[in-house]
Amino acid sequence: DQQVKQNSPSLSVQEGRISILNCDYTNSMFDYFLWYKKYPAEGPTFLISISSIKDKNEDGRFTVFLNKSAKHLSLHIVPSQPGDSAVYFCAASSNTNAGKSTFGDGTTLTVKP
Amino acid sequence: DVKVTQSSRYLVKRTGEKVFLECVQDMDHENMFWYRQDPGLGLRLIYFSYDVKMKEKGDIPEGYSVSREKKERFSLILESASTNQTSMYLCASTPGLWNSPLHFGNGTRLTVT
Repeated sequence: DQQVKQNSPSLSVQEGRISILNCDYTNSMFDYFLWYKKYPAEGPTFLISISSIKDKNEDGRFTVFLNKSAKHLSLHIVPSQPGDSAVYFCAASSNTNAGKSTFGDGTTLTVKP
Repeated sequence: DVKVTQSSRYLVKRTGEKVFLECVQDMDHENMFWYRQDPGLGLRLIYFSYDVKMKEKGDIPEGYSVSREKKERFSLILESASTNQTSMYLCASTPGLWNSPLHFGNGTRLTVT
């Protein structure tokens, strides 16, 4: 049973527009959620996170929204830039399983100039 | 900046060989992890360690073992490599806090022929 799902394998947007990447989870014990970005031939790098006590966290052009009742989170990138083109992974963890993150399959974002 | 270094970027091994993947981190992190990344499957946890000489199985430990003799070093061992272990292997570390992001190395692309 896949506990973290990213249902869109790929997303293409025009430069300057909004990118919205979605993630769903099934385990109600998850209480911390993270987004990572991965360029080819590099390891994933941490982008932004949100605790389950919040419904929104913003960092510059990146905002993560959490809807606990729907077990859904989304990453908004505004405005999108060509350098944002990468694979984005959603991950979830629980304070009862310290440090062990469960990842989604990833969404490949392409931002066209 | 945390640096996680994986000893090899690319490895080609034959079926049945014993394979060692090495990972070193320089930030005195408590926790270390080995993931594998496959297309359409995201990142899957193989093994992790919360302390020296301590290890725990992740979601897909079969065919793998690990060693953590020193805090900064976490080795992944393929006892008898098989073609279905051809993958990208990613090492990561975090301090001992449950909500700390993972710091990844750049990965080792292993091909088993």
